Amino acid sequence: DAKTTQPPSMDCAEGRAANLPCNHSTISGNEYVYWYRQIHSQGPQYIIHGLKNNETNEMASLIITEDRKSSTLILPHATLRDTAVYYCIVREGSGGSNYKLTFGKGTLLTVNP
Amino acid sequence: SAVISQKPSRDICQRGTSLTIQCQVDSQVTMMFWYRQQPGQSLTLIATANQGSEATYESGFVIDKFPISRPNLTFSTLTVSNMSPEDSSIYLCSVEGTGRNYNEQFFGPGTRLTVL
Repeated sequence: DAKTTQPPSMDCAEGRAANLPCNHSTISGNEYVYWYRQIHSQGPQYIIHGLKNNETNEMASLIITEDRKSSTLILPHATLRDTAVYYCIVREGSGGSNYKLTFGKGTLLTVNP
Repeated sequence: SAVISQKPSRDICQRGTSLTIQCQVDSQVTMMFWYRQQPGQSLTLIATANQGSEATYESGFVIDKFPISRPNLTFSTLTVSNMSPEDSSIYLCSVEGTGRNYNEQFFGPGTRLTVL
């Protein structure tokens, strides 16, 4: 079973920041938080991941609470092309047989004009 | 990043037949993964395929139903055997990134299978 809880859907206005929450209260010390998204009819796309520090890349920012039990993915200026299902996944870091990604139901983000 | 292609992109098959899906990667990778995405559902891992060894199947998936080949470091096939309408899904392969992308998984575009 997925170890994360996400709202099933969210709306966001184009140009505004989209803040997608994720609860992972049972996360263990060696597990990372990953975010992927799946645009309709495409394979999932990696967005960002982090362990305990906040992370930022060209796509998004990831804010992880100090107790690591929840996180927020931030798309700073959402566009219509950001409409997708966003998956929050916890997984052990690289190495060995720990590459598996366990997908939950994700959050359908709809960016409106 | 890794670029992944899959063949066929879609197919419509008759009950009881088998379909082999191909996955080609533009770089050498150790681990390849096969996922299934049933209509309206999330992705479920079928198996992990390492070159030179037997694939490792997840609970609920068996080799007789989903045989996998991994003949080299850039290619894998998944066969969906003795198909039924319940096998109608999107089948995706993915690979773990290497180098600076080693913590990312890259996914193919998927094969949309409809079984009548």
